Amino acid sequence: KAGVTQTPRYLIKTRGQQVTLSCSPISGHRSVSWYQQTPGQGLQFLFEYFSETQRNKGNFPGRFSGRQFSNSRSEMNVSTLELGDSALYLCASSRSASGASRETQYFGPGTRLLVL
Amino acid sequence: QQQVKQSPQSLIVQKGGISIINCAYENTAFDYFPWYQQFPGKGPALLIAIRPDVSEKKEGRFTISFNKSAKQFSLHIMDSQPGDSATYFCAAIFTGGGNKLTFGTGTQLKVEL
Repeated sequence: KAGVTQTPRYLIKTRGQQVTLSCSPISGHRSVSWYQQTPGQGLQFLFEYFSETQRNKGNFPGRFSGRQFSNSRSEMNVSTLELGDSALYLCASSRSASGASRETQYFGPGTRLLVL
Repeated sequence: QQQVKQSPQSLIVQKGGISIINCAYENTAFDYFPWYQQFPGKGPALLIAIRPDVSEKKEGRFTISFNKSAKQFSLHIMDSQPGDSATYFCAAIFTGGGNKLTFGTGTQLKVEL
């Protein structure tokens, strides 16, 4: 069974540009969550999608957005990049949308974004 | 606001020793507490998890101890091995919060020979 895949794995952008990251969940998983990981702030929740609907959103500015497609694949977009957006962006998938079901969330390897 | 506090930031343990990582939470709505292990270049992977109605859960060499009244929980790694060297994150989630995990700041564990 293939795991969560994220593309690209590495990305270098300059300030002011925008970037789109992609996540393909495990087959059969309908929930996709995104996290930002930095040395200073650790792992922070960005948003969660289930059945093409955003179910949850973290405390990030509107420059961070996402969407989910009918095949459960998800993309996140960061517009007007800032130096502080340099981070590892992780996506996690699970079968259901409810934390109460205690479904395990499986993380991908992440996309490392460097903003110059 | 750091809702889940984790300590220590780093830990060096001798092979065969016990590694102990502590976490404390503030939000009493949290009702599920997983621990994740992350190796360099990889995403976090679920290690073990506990509900607050259980005081201890053991899986192999890994044990979670949970103190609901103190709002604290800890991970014990028995007989620590060099292959356990990784970053460990405690996390918390609550019913109704979807799949949003609130993570601790992480502990970098190094197990020396």
